[in-house]
Amino acid sequence: EVQLVESGGGLVQPGGSLRLSCAASGFTFTSYSMTWVRQAPGKGLEWLANIKEDGSEKYYVDSVKGRFTVSRDNAKNSLYLQMNSLRVEDTAIYYCARERQLARWGQGTLVTVSS
Amino acid sequence: DVVMTQSPLSLPVTLGQPAAVSCRSSQSLVYRDGNTYLTWFQQRPGQSPRRLIYEVSNRDSGVPDRFSGSGSGTDFTLKISRVEAEDVGVYYCLQATLWPPTFGGGTKVEI
Repeated sequence: EVQLVESGGGLVQPGGSLRLSCAASGFTFTSYSMTWVRQAPGKGLEWLANIKEDGSEKYYVDSVKGRFTVSRDNAKNSLYLQMNSLRVEDTAIYYCARERQLARWGQGTLVTVSS
Repeated sequence: DVVMTQSPLSLPVTLGQPAAVSCRSSQSLVYRDGNTYLTWFQQRPGQSPRRLIYEVSNRDSGVPDRFSGSGSGTDFTLKISRVEAEDVGVYYCLQATLWPPTFGGGTKVEI
């Protein structure tokens, strides 16, 4: 069974940093690109970043480019999102998902940016 | 960026009756490889999104056959042939043809 389990969310002050993790199981992790998506409270979905199967290429939307970094450790079947210079508007549930077309999703982890 | 416009915003439905959600893109979603990367998701209350349909009309494994997707170019539709109570939630379309991938604003389906 495919499973994606996010962790690392929490409360952080504006300007702070946080690192999210996504543990993958039930499929061959090295065969799929991986994506981060977020959803602000009561709002819609925003596609954030994608990383290729081998980590050689990474793609970011403008709203997080230069502040967020996606990475993966294929030996640990894990995906990461390093978030720096956090803003109040980054408050959201962060989901990891398999593939660019988001075939499978995790349950999400809540990030709250507030003073 | 490609703007994805969903309608209606809210869709009151009757159990056992059909329902349809529209998604229109501001540019053609046909990729150079000939595929159209238009995807539909369902998000039930309190749950993560779940992919229903990919590349316009391909139903994911485990998705009931009352869900179907159609369309081409810039105009796409998700249809539910006979609405069931478990279909309540918000439905989103996503285009992954052009950079950056963008979602529609969502359509809330309620009984």
